[in-house]
Amino acid sequence: QSALTQPASVSGSPGQSITISCTGTSSDVGGYNYVSWYQQHPGKAPKLMIYEVNNRPSGVSNRFSGSKSGNTASLTISGLQAEDEADYYCSSYTSSNTVVFGGGTKLTVL
Amino acid sequence: QVQLQESGPGLVKPSETLSLTCTVSGGSISSYYWSWIRQPPGKGLEWIGYIYYSGSTNYNPSLKSRVTISVDTSKNQFSLKLNSVTAADTAVYYCAKLSGIGSVGYWGQGTLVAVSS
Repeated sequence: QSALTQPASVSGSPGQSITISCTGTSSDVGGYNYVSWYQQHPGKAPKLMIYEVNNRPSGVSNRFSGSKSGNTASLTISGLQAEDEADYYCSSYTSSNTVVFGGGTKLTVL
Repeated sequence: QVQLQESGPGLVKPSETLSLTCTVSGGSISSYYWSWIRQPPGKGLEWIGYIYYSGSTNYNPSLKSRVTISVDTSKNQFSLKLNSVTAADTAVYYCAKLSGIGSVGYWGQGTLVAVSS
């Protein structure tokens, strides 16, 4: 299985909105509404931010939202804050009953 | 609140078997899916596989020939064995609990395993 495709980096200024894309195939992202997004700060374990495309776990800010169109899922962070600076990973359930991650995107808050 | 803790050797020799155990506390291992995920230094996440408490498993196709994940419900633990390791298997290994289909709701703190002679 091939890793999902994410941009290597994105950046934005405080208060702005940014979107991170995650492109797969019809065998993963496009075939199921089981896309998740994770935030990872340096030296820490990842944290689940979005599950099933657009659902937020309890305690996650509503500034984080997810969507999907075809084989591409997206994570949008609105009202960017300094603490949002981190690496972000998408993942998807696949037709092989496995899970595949994206390569990760480094978010820089300018 | 469930907590997960990885344990095992931090150094493994090439061609040998990497063995890690994850101890689950704050909840029962029964009725859930449990996973191993790894992250080479400076690189992205790689899903290794998952196991249901009943013992059914599913593995990353690229690692399937070398991986075994098992569960011990009496100890509330699950384990990872990766054989014939090389330097490319050097990574932080995370154990995790799936909170839904394909989504990892709970992570261990991770343990660095280096493969070196």
